[in-house]
Amino acid sequence: DAGVIQSPRHEVTEMGQEVTLRCKPISGHDYLFWYRQTMMRGLELLIYFNNNVPIDDSGMPEDRFSAKMPNASFSTLKIQPSEPRDSAVYFCASSPGATNTGELFFGEGSRLTVL
Amino acid sequence: RKEVEQDPGPFNVPEGATVAFNCTYSNSASQSFFWYRQDCRKEPKLLMSVYSSGNEDGRFTAQLNRASQYISLLIRDSKLSDSATYLCVVSMIKAAGNKLTFGGGTRVLVKP
Repeated sequence: DAGVIQSPRHEVTEMGQEVTLRCKPISGHDYLFWYRQTMMRGLELLIYFNNNVPIDDSGMPEDRFSAKMPNASFSTLKIQPSEPRDSAVYFCASSPGATNTGELFFGEGSRLTVL
Repeated sequence: RKEVEQDPGPFNVPEGATVAFNCTYSNSASQSFFWYRQDCRKEPKLLMSVYSSGNEDGRFTAQLNRASQYISLLIRDSKLSDSATYLCVVSMIKAAGNKLTFGGGTRVLVKP
């Protein structure tokens, strides 16, 4: 079975450019999460959706970041304009229901470098 | 203060030895606890849940101390393949959903 699919796997861009990261969750999973991981700050939750509806976006750093989930099988995380401090690995994860079971299924991540 | 804190390590462990490390959490309302494993340049994966009474999964033992607000993980008979970063994860249920908060991770290096 396919897991969570993210694209691109790697992206190098210049400061000021728009970046769009994509995620396809596991079919049937109701929850979708976007995390960012850096050496300094570890794994941070940016936003999560339940049944395509954003539930908590308090982790989104600023207005330059936006996330959408137009349907159950697709989500995007957009950064516009990008800055060097946005360089990180961005993970998308999904889960089948309430996460008190603790099991999130992560994609392989999108490694972003902003020059 | 971070919500979930871990000793970043690394813990250098001889193969076959036992290693244990803790994680502390700040919110006493936290309800569920987990350990994830993350290999270098890979995604995190669930290792095991942590139950109030403590639980084992093969060579791995997890403990929860609610009074002192810490979680521990013990690895017995360490294998080279246990080398990874171990992430402590805490969940708090909210009315509109829930979210998992990850610690910064403890790096373990098992050496021959």
